[in-house]
Amino acid sequence: QAVVTQEPSLTVSPGGTVTLTCGSTTGAVTSGHYPYWFQQKPGQAPRTLIYDTSIKHSWTPARFSGSLLGGKAALTLSGAQPEDEADYYCLLYQSDGREFGGGTKLTVL
Amino acid sequence: QVQLQESGPGLVKPSQTLSLTCTVSGGSISRGNFYWSWVRQPAGKGLEWIGRMYSNGNTRYNPSLKSRVTISRDTAKNEFYLEVSSVTAADTAVYYCGSEPPGLWGQGTLVTVSS
Repeated sequence: QAVVTQEPSLTVSPGGTVTLTCGSTTGAVTSGHYPYWFQQKPGQAPRTLIYDTSIKHSWTPARFSGSLLGGKAALTLSGAQPEDEADYYCLLYQSDGREFGGGTKLTVL
Repeated sequence: QVQLQESGPGLVKPSQTLSLTCTVSGGSISRGNFYWSWVRQPAGKGLEWIGRMYSNGNTRYNPSLKSRVTISRDTAKNEFYLEVSSVTAADTAVYYCGSEPPGLWGQGTLVTVSS
């Protein structure tokens, strides 16, 4: 089964920009993998920020954006806020179904 | 907007079958191009995709769980279900149901496997 890869942890300064990536051991991630991005804060259910690569929900802050970058799915946070500190998971469509990445712990410091 | 709510026993004995219900409101599980999914999260760990059912009833499962998992539905009740057989402590987790697209999820329900 293919493995979905994410950075285990990243740190961003308040007001700074950071890009989280989501790769697949099978090769380049494309729109056909229908990438999703989830945000999860401690004690809370995960919520979808981005689906189908770049589509935002009504609750997704404008500072988050999704794209494809260098063969991976990417979640870019521009102008980080303290409340953005959370775990972020990507979800890809794979040949066997769907697969989550291991998650990225984002620290805003 | 579609809303989803998980329900079911919070405690299941080892070797038994875990059964959960996802009640959907605001949309039909048998119409449109939507997938109705289950994921889970053990305490302190990441998310795991369990499987999903398309609006036409077709299912797809995580290969690592496929032999023990069944997703079914009752279109009259607008509910879909998860069964996991032969459970062990490793199946202890918060279970979430959701719809894709666009990725709407319930609040989750904790299931503990213990004697």
